[in-house]
Amino acid sequence: EDQVTQSPEALRLQEGESSSLNCSYTVSGLRGLFWYRQDPGKGPEFLFTLYSAGEEKEKERLKATLTKKESFLHITAPKPEDSATYLCAVQAPWAFQGAQKLVFGQGTRLTINP
Amino acid sequence: EAGVTQSPTHLIKTRGQQATLRCSPISGHTSVYWYQQALGLGLQFLLWYDEGEERNRGNFPPRFSGRQFPNYSSELNVNALELEDSALYLCASSFFAEAFFGQGTRLTVV
Repeated sequence: EDQVTQSPEALRLQEGESSSLNCSYTVSGLRGLFWYRQDPGKGPEFLFTLYSAGEEKEKERLKATLTKKESFLHITAPKPEDSATYLCAVQAPWAFQGAQKLVFGQGTRLTINP
Repeated sequence: EAGVTQSPTHLIKTRGQQATLRCSPISGHTSVYWYQQALGLGLQFLLWYDEGEERNRGNFPPRFSGRQFPNYSSELNVNALELEDSALYLCASSFFAEAFFGQGTRLTVV
């Protein structure tokens, strides 16, 4: 069964304290891995797509990396406005040709204290 | 370019009633996903539509149903509402790659 596990469930950091969030996945035939940011009561906001091991994407203080079994979201010198829940999702082939399915992890709730 | 739009933003219903939630995908997107997110919890997969067909459904009772129209918009119907159906309902659309979410419909059952 396709699975996505994110760790830690929650993380508190001081402003400027860099860290990493982990997304481990078990899926047959990964088509893509996505990172999202979700603020309370709002829909997830798309951040990155990674397709193959070794790929990296950057956006401001965030950098996402991908290996064959996991992805990391590195946060460098975070600010309070980076506080949010970060979600990881994988796209895997479905039973019939051309279709995909999307599997989400439970998210990491990140709090940055000023 | 317009993003995914959901309506209504908020919906208050009485237990036992029916609720209809609507989703308009990004132009060109043929897949629509529905998720339920109860307060403080993760995304629970409800339904996936692609090219007008239901491709998969999550572990929810049959009173959760929906459809996708020829223009790829979608609606989610929840019959015989229960108090525990109170949640944020999120719609996402995609075309073979990343999915983009709407802002959700907050359903409150009283």
